[in-house]
Amino acid sequence: AQSVTQPDIHITVSEGASLELRCNYSYGATPYLFWYVQSPGQGLQLLLKYFSGDTLVQGIKGFEAEFKRSQSSFNLRKPSVHWSDAAEYFCAVGAGNTDKLIFGTGTRLQVFP
Amino acid sequence: DVKVTQSSRYLVKRTGEKVFLECVQDMDHENMFWYRQDPGLGLRLIYFSYDVKMKEKGDIPEGYSVSREKKERFSLILESASTNQTSMYLCASSSKTRTGELFFGEGSRLTVL
Repeated sequence: AQSVTQPDIHITVSEGASLELRCNYSYGATPYLFWYVQSPGQGLQLLLKYFSGDTLVQGIKGFEAEFKRSQSSFNLRKPSVHWSDAAEYFCAVGAGNTDKLIFGTGTRLQVFP
Repeated sequence: DVKVTQSSRYLVKRTGEKVFLECVQDMDHENMFWYRQDPGLGLRLIYFSYDVKMKEKGDIPEGYSVSREKKERFSLILESASTNQTSMYLCASSSKTRTGELFFGEGSRLTVL
């Protein structure tokens, strides 16, 4: 069965510091992988997605993620965090022919000035 | 600007009441979803629909039903609300041609007393 693990519940970084949010997935075939962001009081917004091809994908707001099949990981990175990046981040995995996504439990990012 | 609109941001209901949560999308999307979001549990899929009058159970359908009479509208129904259904409910839609790119509403926070 598909599953997604986000091992970090809460991360705190200083503004300007680099960021990496971890995501591990379990899926038998090549997965479709996603990162969504939820700002306070808002719905979720798609940051980036991986379907196939280049394992380093670029997203909106300066985020990128790297698919590593050997580690079953899809970690999200940003070289320099802004205060507006404070939000909750969700990793998700989907099968190839459906939009039924399985979401992780989320990582809450706090940014200090 | 594309939009998924959930009719109520905050609701307070009594145990045993029938509750309707309404969701409307203006993107002509085929797929619509209802998720439940709880701290530490992430998003869990309740029901989804790939077409008008069509519905499929997600991972936690017990205690819920849905209705999709028109393409743009997807309703979640709690036949007899219970305190363990106190939660944030998120509606989402997607086009069948863009797998995994879900567009979310801002959520409906339901409290059952």
